[in-house]
Amino acid sequence: EVQLLESGGDLVQPGGSLRLSCAASGFTFSLYAMSWVRQAPGKGLEWVSAISGSGGSPFYADSVKGRFTISRDDSKNTLYLQMNNLRAEDTAVYYCAKSTGPVTNWFDPWGQGTLVTVSS
Amino acid sequence: DIQMTQSPSTLSASVGDRVTITCRASQSISSWLAWYQQKPGKAPKLLIFKASTLESGVPSRFSGSGSGTEFTLTISSLQPDDFAIYYCQQYNTYWTFGQGTKVEIK
Repeated sequence: EVQLLESGGDLVQPGGSLRLSCAASGFTFSLYAMSWVRQAPGKGLEWVSAISGSGGSPFYADSVKGRFTISRDDSKNTLYLQMNNLRAEDTAVYYCAKSTGPVTNWFDPWGQGTLVTVSS
Repeated sequence: DIQMTQSPSTLSASVGDRVTITCRASQSISSWLAWYQQKPGKAPKLLIFKASTLESGVPSRFSGSGSGTEFTLTISSLQPDDFAIYYCQQYNTYWTFGQGTKVEIK
């Protein structure tokens, strides 16, 4: 069974940093692209970042480009999101999601999410 | 960037109703569209991919159609478990979600 388990969410002050992790199991992690998607309280889904499988080309939404860095450690089956210079508008539940192919494809499944709150 | 627009934003319906949600893309995305269902406090769940292919295990009352810029998700006979928020997603160029359609009890 494919499982994705996010961690690292916390309360952080504006301008601060945080690193999210997503531990994957149940599939050959290195073969699949992975993404981060966020959902602000009471709002819709926003794709944040993706990284391709085996090679790791990163992609970013304009709203986080230059502040967030996606990476993966295929030896640990883990996806990361380093978030710097955080803003109040970054407050959201962050989901990791498995792509169904090596690069662009739909997402299935999703993790349960981890909450990031940016506030002073 | 490709924008995705769903309509309506909220839909009030009764059990047994046929329900249709529309998703429009700002430019052609061929059939590179997925639909997800999200319930409160839960992660989104995949329903349909490639515009019309039903994900394994998803009830057959769900169906998807369309190509190019206009797509629909239809629930043929609404069940109590179907009251949720539905999102379309394009994956033709990067990834973009529609703003969501809440299906609520009438």
